[in-house]
Amino acid sequence: QKEVEQNSGPLSVPEGAIASLNCTYSDRGSQSFFWYRQYSGKSPELIMSIYSNGDKEDGRFTAQLNKASQYVSLLIRDSQPSDSATYLCAVKNRGSGNTGKLIFGQGTTLQVKP
Amino acid sequence: DGGITQSPKYLFRKEGQNVTLSCEQNLNHDAMYWYRQDPGQGLRLIYYSQIVNDFQKGDIAEGYSVSREKKESFPLTVTSAQKNPTAFYLCASSIWGPTDTQYFGPGTRLTVL
Repeated sequence: QKEVEQNSGPLSVPEGAIASLNCTYSDRGSQSFFWYRQYSGKSPELIMSIYSNGDKEDGRFTAQLNKASQYVSLLIRDSQPSDSATYLCAVKNRGSGNTGKLIFGQGTTLQVKP
Repeated sequence: DGGITQSPKYLFRKEGQNVTLSCEQNLNHDAMYWYRQDPGQGLRLIYYSQIVNDFQKGDIAEGYSVSREKKESFPLTVTSAQKNPTAFYLCASSIWGPTDTQYFGPGTRLTVL
C-alpha cells in the first residue's frame, strides 16, 4: 500500500462544474496535509494546507480532512479551463517527526472542458 | 522579490559527467529540500537540510551529493554514479515549525545524452 494515494485520472469536468479530487493516506498519525497544483512543465504551487478535521475554504477551493477515514479531498467550485493541471496531495506523517519531510501522491490530472 | 531561484532551467549532460544544480532562496527559510520528479510520478525526496552545515539523506540519495554552507544556498550535485539522472529536479524551502509549508523553485530539467 502506498503511503499517499491518488487516482491518476484524468478527471474530466465541464466548465462551471465542481471538481472533486481525493487523496488517502496510510499513516493514521499524519499531522499536516497540503494540496499543490502543477501545470505541465512547471513546478508545484501551494493551493491549500489543512491541519485539523473539517473543511477549510479559500475562494473557489475547499479542502476537507477526515482523519478517522484517513482521507483528504479538494473541491474546486465553478471550475475553469485554467484549473486544468495536475493536483498533488502531500502529507507530513508521524514518521517525519520534526524533519518536515512530506510524502507526495502521484497526482491527479484534472481537465476542465469549455 | 522574495522567492526561490534555480539554475539552469535546462541542463544537458553527457554520461559520466558530474553536474551541479543551483538553488538559492531569500525567504530566510531554515529548511531546504531537493526532489526529483519523473513523468507521471509524484515527487521523491533526495536530500534535505534543516540548518546550515547539516543535511540528511532522503529516500533516493544514491548518486547525489549536497552541501549547505550558507542558509540561502543548497546546491545539488548529480554524480556519474546516478544511473538514471534524466528528470525534473525541484528545490523547496520552508520555515521550521509545526506548520512548515514547503514552497518550490521553478525547477531544473536535466537530460543525459
